[in-house]
Amino acid sequence: QVQLQESGPGLVKPSQTLSLICTVSGGSISSGSYYWSWIRQPAGKRLEWIGRIYSSGTTHYSPSLRSRLTISVDTSKNQFSLKLSSVTAADTAVYYCARDLFADNGGFDSWGQGTLVTVSS
Amino acid sequence: DIQMTQSPSTLSASVGDRVTITCRASQSISTWLAWYQQKPGTAPKLLIYKASSLESGVPTRFSGSGSGTEFTLTISSLQPDDFATYYCQEYNNYSVTFGQGTKLEIK
Repeated sequence: QVQLQESGPGLVKPSQTLSLICTVSGGSISSGSYYWSWIRQPAGKRLEWIGRIYSSGTTHYSPSLRSRLTISVDTSKNQFSLKLSSVTAADTAVYYCARDLFADNGGFDSWGQGTLVTVSS
Repeated sequence: DIQMTQSPSTLSASVGDRVTITCRASQSISTWLAWYQQKPGTAPKLLIYKASSLESGVPTRFSGSGSGTEFTLTISSLQPDDFATYYCQEYNNYSVTFGQGTKLEIK
């Protein structure tokens, strides 16, 4: 059973870069046709997909975040990461990483527990 | 961008009731739709994928149907554990959009 765990600072100052890492255990990030996604949820609001990456480095980004977003993968560490630049209070949310069945039946079948990131000075 | 609209936003029901939640897409997405259950403070849980396929381990009282722009999630007989918020999600192309959620409350 694959498990995912987000890690990173819980507080980021406005205009700075939000950086998170997702560590995958119980399976290789390079195995199968799985993609790996970041999803966020502001308090009391709907889920918002941020972007995904394949083990080869292929990425797909949300059009609304593309200009500020970088997702990368480190297969040697079984990790993938998120960098979101020029953050504002609107980027405050719980951030989840998830296994993405984009190339298969679709949907996100395994999720991390989520990490709250607050943007504030 | 594809817009996903769920109805109702809130639903009050009792244990044993049959309930249906609707999700409408702003354009056709074939059957590229998933449903999730989320409880407070926890990550969403995948229930249904490809509009009507039941994820492994999910109770059979959950079912999904629809294609094109209109989809439904049905719970045949509500159990106490089912009171939560439900989200639909489309994955018609490279991007992904979620509905605004339906909160299922105890009547």
